[in-house]
Amino acid sequence: NAGVTQTPKFQVLKTGQSMTLQCAQDMNHEYMSWYRQDPGMGLRLIHYSVGAGITDQGEVPNGYNVSRSTTEDFPLRLLSAAPSQTSVYFCASSLNTEAFFGQGTRLTVV
Amino acid sequence: GESVGLHLPTLSVQEGDNSIINCAYSNSASDYFIWYKQESGKGPQFIIDIRSNMDKRQGQRVTVLLNKTVKHLSLQIAATQPGDSAVYFCAERRSNQFYFGTGTSLTVIP
Repeated sequence: NAGVTQTPKFQVLKTGQSMTLQCAQDMNHEYMSWYRQDPGMGLRLIHYSVGAGITDQGEVPNGYNVSRSTTEDFPLRLLSAAPSQTSVYFCASSLNTEAFFGQGTRLTVV
Repeated sequence: GESVGLHLPTLSVQEGDNSIINCAYSNSASDYFIWYKQESGKGPQFIIDIRSNMDKRQGQRVTVLLNKTVKHLSLQIAATQPGDSAVYFCAERRSNQFYFGTGTSLTVIP
């Protein structure tokens, strides 16, 4: 039982590049979410999904897209990376109020 | 905007003492409040939650208190151990979204 798996762990992008952060869970949770964590800001919700085929915006959705074609996978796409998107990204899958987080992806945009 | 904040950014306690971490919130529509622990380089880990219609909930060595009158949440850790050193976040759930505070760094002094 791996829990929540995020890849990659580290990534450096140039401004304007696009990429996809992968997230997979094996707990059969309906609810999945993406957060970014910046110093002094805590975690902020980017997008979330309450089940396959359903996604919705969180607090800071601009510049990010998501899809949920299966229960297991919830990828986060950066369409055109900007330096302001330099952050640590966490994916989580939740059962009620208990969220299980991945190990995070440290993204730097130069 | 959302407001889930912490009174103190850092807290140092002696090993064996009790720790109290505080959190203020501003939105009364939240139905659950949750505490997470984040160790360096890892994703947050669920500690305990409390429903908004409760005042107190106890777990293993932890107690969460909710004062809705003053919109205040606290996490009490009994007999603090070196392994409790981490950043602690409060979070609230509202309309399928989770809002996190900025975190308190707890250091346990041996």
